[in-house]
Amino acid sequence: DAGVTQSPTHLIKTRGQQVTLRCSPISGHKSVSWYQQVLGQGPQFIFQYYEKEERGRGNFPDRFSARQFPNYSSELNVNALLLGDSALYLCASSQEGNQPQHFGDGTRLSIL
Amino acid sequence: AQSVTQPDIHITVSEGASLELRCNYSYGATPYLFWYVQSPGQGLQLLLKYFSGDTLVQGIKGFEAEFKRSQSSFNLRKPSVHCSDAAEYFCAVGEEGGGNKLTFGTGTQLKVEL
Repeated sequence: DAGVTQSPTHLIKTRGQQVTLRCSPISGHKSVSWYQQVLGQGPQFIFQYYEKEERGRGNFPDRFSARQFPNYSSELNVNALLLGDSALYLCASSQEGNQPQHFGDGTRLSIL
Repeated sequence: AQSVTQPDIHITVSEGASLELRCNYSYGATPYLFWYVQSPGQGLQLLLKYFSGDTLVQGIKGFEAEFKRSQSSFNLRKPSVHCSDAAEYFCAVGEEGGGNKLTFGTGTQLKVEL
């Protein structure tokens, strides 16, 4: 089975622009979570969606939003990009409950 | 709020030597604990997890970890390190009732010398 897939792999934007990142979970996984990993740090939790509903939100501004589709894929949107949004954005999926998460290879976002 | 501390930012070991990476957590209830490994430019790969039961858990690639509640620790160990183990290692704690919201430590960068 395919793992968690994320697109695009790399992205370059300028300040003030908007970006959409995409994630396809492992087949059968209903939960998708998003993390931001700034260089030299551990991943920080942004959102979790389960069965198309938001189940958790981290300490990120309203410029960050996400949604989950009926096929359990997900999008992360970031508006009004700032230089500090430059990071590796990771998507993780799990079945449900206390199952461990499986991560994709991430989208590297660079803001100029 | 839950938190994870990885005291060692960088560790260098010789190939064939044993390894121990430290992890301390802060959590009010029984924690869900994880170790992940990240190679450059890639995502995170799950090495092992602790939910309950036996406090010594075995993972992939010959890694193991021991949960010690009295010390709030979940240290990762490997008896003999290979050069392919060079990577960054992250300890994480999941919220009770689900591992979906993970709180990660800052990571330990492992270098292996030949």
